[in-house]
Amino acid sequence: KAGVTQTPRYLIKTRGQQVTLSCSPISGHRSVSWYQQTPGQGLQFLFEYFSETQRNKGNFPGRFSGRQFSNSRSEMNVSTLELGDSALYLCASSLLGQEGNTIYFGEGSWLTVV
Amino acid sequence: EDKVVQSPLSLVVHEGDTVTLNCSYEVTNFRSLLWYKQEKKAPTFLFMLTSSGIEKKSGRLSSILDKKELFSILNITATQTGDSAVYLCAVEPWGTNAGNMLTFGGGTRLMVKP
Repeated sequence: KAGVTQTPRYLIKTRGQQVTLSCSPISGHRSVSWYQQTPGQGLQFLFEYFSETQRNKGNFPGRFSGRQFSNSRSEMNVSTLELGDSALYLCASSLLGQEGNTIYFGEGSWLTVV
Repeated sequence: EDKVVQSPLSLVVHEGDTVTLNCSYEVTNFRSLLWYKQEKKAPTFLFMLTSSGIEKKSGRLSSILDKKELFSILNITATQTGDSAVYLCAVEPWGTNAGNMLTFGGGTRLMVKP
């Protein structure tokens, strides 16, 4: 069974640009969540989607957005990139996002903003 | 605001040693506590703990939760160089829309020397 798949794995962008990251959850999983990992702030929750609806959102500015498609695949977008957005962006999936559902992480997308 | 604190920040041991990693938390409406191991890639799931006093074991790793004192420990016995990694603790809140919204601690970096 394939794990959580994220693309692209590595990318470099310039300040002011925008970026879209993609996540394919484990087959059958309907809850997809996104996290940002930086050396200074650690792992921080961005948002969670279930059945194409954003169910929860972390404390990030509106430049960070996401969506989920009917096949549970998800994308996140960051507009007007800043140097501080350089981070590892991790996607995680679980069956339903309910109690007892194990949460599995993808290998992440490394974003560097220059 | 939910908070997770891990200690120690880092630890260096020799193969064969036993280590204990600590995780204390403050969370509104606690649902579960999770442990992950992160090498240079995706955090891999170790344990999910929901009930106090019940030890979970997987090979040389074990973990237990104390919901009264709000902490958990992760024990690794007979450490091996392959155990070198960052160990992450996270808590998950309860609630209709809680979904998979994890609050992570800063991690404990474990290095096992031959």
